[in-house]
Amino acid sequence: GQQLNQSPQSMFIQEGEDVSMNCTSSSIFNTWLWYKQDPGEGPVLLIALYKAGELTSNGRLTAQFGITRKDSFLNISASIPSDVGIYFCAPTNFGNEKLTFGTGTRLTIIP
Amino acid sequence: DAGVIQSPRHEVTEMGQEVTLRCKPISGHNSLFWYRQTMMRGLELLIYFNNNVPIDDSGMPEDRFSAKMPNASFSTLKIQPSEPRDSAVYFCASSFGSSGREKQFFGPGTRLTVL
Repeated sequence: GQQLNQSPQSMFIQEGEDVSMNCTSSSIFNTWLWYKQDPGEGPVLLIALYKAGELTSNGRLTAQFGITRKDSFLNISASIPSDVGIYFCAPTNFGNEKLTFGTGTRLTIIP
Repeated sequence: DAGVIQSPRHEVTEMGQEVTLRCKPISGHNSLFWYRQTMMRGLELLIYFNNNVPIDDSGMPEDRFSAKMPNASFSTLKIQPSEPRDSAVYFCASSFGSSGREKQFFGPGTRLTVL
């Protein structure tokens, strides 16, 4: 079966630091999604990637779709307190509504 | 605009009791998804509907779980009888379209505790 590995599992950083997390899969996908879950809430879509090699930004967030189509990374620059939460990757393929979520990266900002 | 609405937000019940979770998707959306989130298993898809029809229920853990979508604006997830291992946060999400590239909007979740 498909294996989806997301790392790191957790991060403890200081405000202002940059953050990097990634997902790798044993299968090829043509869509990579990144979601964020705030404490006590449901996940919210941050960025969607549809093409291998694509680099997309959304404010301080930047995500890339790996050339092999088996991986993706998400970077957050100059972290702020509201970045706290759990970040999930969710790769899928066109025509498939099912999402398989990664194990998540829990981001904590140390005061 | 109202987002996905779930009720109740919190449910505490005793083992063996029936539990019904409710979801109202965003108006106009034609796909509805039920997820379960636990520390051990993460966020996993239980079942999803398209145009009120169940498309894939392979994630439903066992026969104690059932889901219905009687109309485009309402869905239920029922657990009967409930067990302590069913304790989790259950999310409902909705989207418009069926390509798989549509944004899924999640509700706030129902935190279920089975004693």
